[in-house]
Amino acid sequence: QLVLTQSPSASASLGASVKLTCTLSSGHTRYAIAWHQKQPEKGPRFLMKVNSDGSHNKGDGVPDRFSGSSSGAERYLTISSLQSEDEADYYCQTWSTDVSWIFGGGTKLTVL
Amino acid sequence: EGQLLESGGALVQPGGSLRLSCAASGFTFGSYAMSWVRQAPGKGLEWVATVSPTGRASYADSVKGRFTISRDNSKNSMSVHMNSLRAEDTAVYYCAKVLEQWLVQGAFDIWGQGTMVTVAS
Repeated sequence: QLVLTQSPSASASLGASVKLTCTLSSGHTRYAIAWHQKQPEKGPRFLMKVNSDGSHNKGDGVPDRFSGSSSGAERYLTISSLQSEDEADYYCQTWSTDVSWIFGGGTKLTVL
Repeated sequence: EGQLLESGGALVQPGGSLRLSCAASGFTFGSYAMSWVRQAPGKGLEWVATVSPTGRASYADSVKGRFTISRDNSKNSMSVHMNSLRAEDTAVYYCAKVLEQWLVQGAFDIWGQGTMVTVAS
């Protein structure tokens, strides 16, 4: 079964970097994923698609501070030079061959 | 830059029906699969349904048989008709565009701002 696992919470200081992790279930380690940012009272924002080889394609206007990478079953979102507006929920998403989409449980990022 | 605008959210009684709409602009609507995703209060994102560029529909198990997704490429719009609504359908509903042309799989790269559906008596 295709499942995405995320830590429920993360925190880092203003100006620091943070690396969020999304883990693909066994047997699905070659899947690409997408990262989305969700702020309260706003629609989600597509940040990037991350492929199994670590290459990534960012959405329009996404700052260079946001980057993606991969290692095995894990897909990462790194945010550098953290700003207060980066405080949000971050969701990873993938899609399966049976035409369905899966979201991870989300990580709530707190900027200290 | 593409934009999506949802409408139609409301308070509806259990067992009732509701139709949500999504108006698209800024991209070639007819070339892209479109989806509905919802977020219940305090919960994460949940995929609901997707319609291909040619109108083929796919549904999450939680809504199969109750929801019907459709699109009108001449009007750059998509909708979902929701029947037999339950309390657990209470959520903000977002429409979303699939990243790549003509593919029914892929990342969602444009999202709307959402419309609230509350199912309660």
